[in-house]
Amino acid sequence: DGGITQSPKYLFRKEGQNVTLSCEQNLNHDAMYWYRQDPGQGLRLIYYSQIVNDFQKGDIAEGYSVSREKKESFPLTVTSAQKNPTAFYLCASSTSRGGPYEQYFGPGTRLTVT
Amino acid sequence: QKEVEQNSGPLSVPEGAIASLNCTYSDRGSQSFFWYRQYSGKSPELIMSIYSNGDKEDGRFTAQLNKASQYVSLLIRDSQPSDSATYLCAVNTNAGKSTFGDGTTLTVKP
Repeated sequence: DGGITQSPKYLFRKEGQNVTLSCEQNLNHDAMYWYRQDPGQGLRLIYYSQIVNDFQKGDIAEGYSVSREKKESFPLTVTSAQKNPTAFYLCASSTSRGGPYEQYFGPGTRLTVT
Repeated sequence: QKEVEQNSGPLSVPEGAIASLNCTYSDRGSQSFFWYRQYSGKSPELIMSIYSNGDKEDGRFTAQLNKASQYVSLLIRDSQPSDSATYLCAVNTNAGKSTFGDGTTLTVKP
């Protein structure tokens, strides 16, 4: 089955610790994205990558880092510099050349930092 | 002004009625428009995409696009309780990068 996987589904960390969220896709999509969603809010773009070894900051990149060493994988690290890391994190992928640019989402990781 | 704005909810309709969800966008160069459905606690699921002016129908769902008015809507006919969810409008403004609205929460009452 083609799709996007994120792990783990729930993640608990102590304040001051870095944590890495996994995102893998087998849809052969060039572009991948990370969003953050807070309760009752829309999606806010953290980082996106349209090609391997290249990525751009989204609207709320501070306190986060990413890498894109493989087409299939786009891990997100939430660093201790992120002031309010508790949120629902969503990874998505899409084509990036010629459209149609429909984004497909993974199941999400719910991060709680105490 | 937000890049993508959706009518504020929540929206409540009786079962069997038509639910109308609206979205406006600011970038006139936008080419691709999407509607996602998100159930509580779940990730968004793509339900409709539209690229040219007019209507696009898929089962009980109809997407409508008017680029001159910078307006896109989603109509859900014969609404069912299972349609109760938050609906997100997304607009593709830069090849591959979409901007999402804050969503409209729909409740269909039996």
